[in-house]
Amino acid sequence: KQEVTQIPAALSVPEGENLVLNCSFTDSAIYNLQWFRQDPGKGLTSLLLIQSSQREQTSGRLNASLDKSSGRSTLYIAASQPGDSATYLCAVRLKSGGSYIPTFGRGTSLIVHP
Amino acid sequence: DAGVIQSPRHEVTEMGQEVTLRCKPISGHNSLFWYRQTMMRGLELLIYFNNNVPIDDSGMPEDRFSAKMPNASFSTLKIQPSEPRDSAVYFCASSLPVYRTNTEAFFGQGTRLTVV
Repeated sequence: KQEVTQIPAALSVPEGENLVLNCSFTDSAIYNLQWFRQDPGKGLTSLLLIQSSQREQTSGRLNASLDKSSGRSTLYIAASQPGDSATYLCAVRLKSGGSYIPTFGRGTSLIVHP
Repeated sequence: DAGVIQSPRHEVTEMGQEVTLRCKPISGHNSLFWYRQTMMRGLELLIYFNNNVPIDDSGMPEDRFSAKMPNASFSTLKIQPSEPRDSAVYFCASSLPVYRTNTEAFFGQGTRLTVV
């Protein structure tokens, strides 16, 4: 069964810092990996989707990388802002095993203080 | 498209009552997922539909939980009878078929269920 782990569980940084959030998964035969943002009491907003054939995706100050062989993805946030404060979740979809279901990590809770 | 639409947004009910949560997926999406989110367990998949057919319901915790998808634009998750431990946020998500290039999953705003 695919297990997804996110480190760190929580992070508090001053505004302006560059951040790296980590996501690891046990089964490297993934179909894709998706990073989400969740604000308190809200739903999940998709940030980036990386297909299994891709190495990275970029959107504005966000860059996500994927290394299937090592079972890792990182989300890089450049020049963090207080508005980036949220919980960040990664979800992987298996390529085989009869299911294509997004399996989630527990998330990284990020606080960016002014 | 308005995205994935869930109703109600909040539900407070007494233990033993029946609860029905509703979801309208994005038009054209043929995969639909129901998740439950709690502080203790994070996001857990309850059931997955593909082309309106339940494919994987191994995450449904008990027989008290049931889900249906009568057509491509509507799904329900029912809890009968409800218990306080069912209190959680329930999310519905949809996506295009996995053989498509972009299989990004889109989530609704969730239903916050409180069973007292």
